[in-house]
Amino acid sequence: AQTVTQSQPEMSVQEAETVTLSCTYDTSENNYYLFWYKQPPSRQMILVIRQEAYKQQNATENRFSVNFQKAAKSFSLKISDSQLGDTAMYFCAFLGLTSGTYKYIFGTGTRLKVLA
Amino acid sequence: NAGVMQNPRHLVRRRGQEARLRCSPMKGHSHVYWYRQLPEEGLKFMVYLQKENIIDESGMPKERFSAEFPKEGPSILRIQQVVRGDSAAYFCASSPPGARKDTQYFGPGTRLTVL
Repeated sequence: AQTVTQSQPEMSVQEAETVTLSCTYDTSENNYYLFWYKQPPSRQMILVIRQEAYKQQNATENRFSVNFQKAAKSFSLKISDSQLGDTAMYFCAFLGLTSGTYKYIFGTGTRLKVLA
Repeated sequence: NAGVMQNPRHLVRRRGQEARLRCSPMKGHSHVYWYRQLPEEGLKFMVYLQKENIIDESGMPKERFSAEFPKEGPSILRIQQVVRGDSAAYFCASSPPGARKDTQYFGPGTRLTVL
């Protein structure tokens, strides 16, 4: 069974600094997708970044980038130039074919606080 | 193009009542997924539906919970005889037909509180 582990329940970073959130996963599949979602206090799930497992190149979206290590099953999120609006829960998610259905497996989240 | 719509956004029920949560997928999307988020936890898969069909309900509790996605109208998640442990945020996601099942688009969620 697939699992997703986020080992950092809480983190904080100074505004304008860089922070890295870690995520590891376990799967026997070869084709899958990995995501980072942001959940602010409004509870809306906002897609931050997406990575296809078959692509070796790390995904990047403006200040957000990932370090995808497929062999190590690691998928960390780096936030550069942190802003106060980045304060939120961040969830790592695995999407793969499980028993014939594409479904997300989410980690337990990391609460990030950006300090002024 | 409107996103995934869910209503109500907040729902309060007393123990023993029924809760009905609605989800309208994005236009053109024919796949609907329901997830539950208990306090301080990540989202957990409940059920996957296509129009008039339940495809995968492996995450649904065996009793009191049901889901449907009729030919016309929104998808409904129904919880009968609610208990305090049902208090959670319930998220709906949708994805388009065809090859691009790799990303599901989430609605804003319904927060259910059971008194």
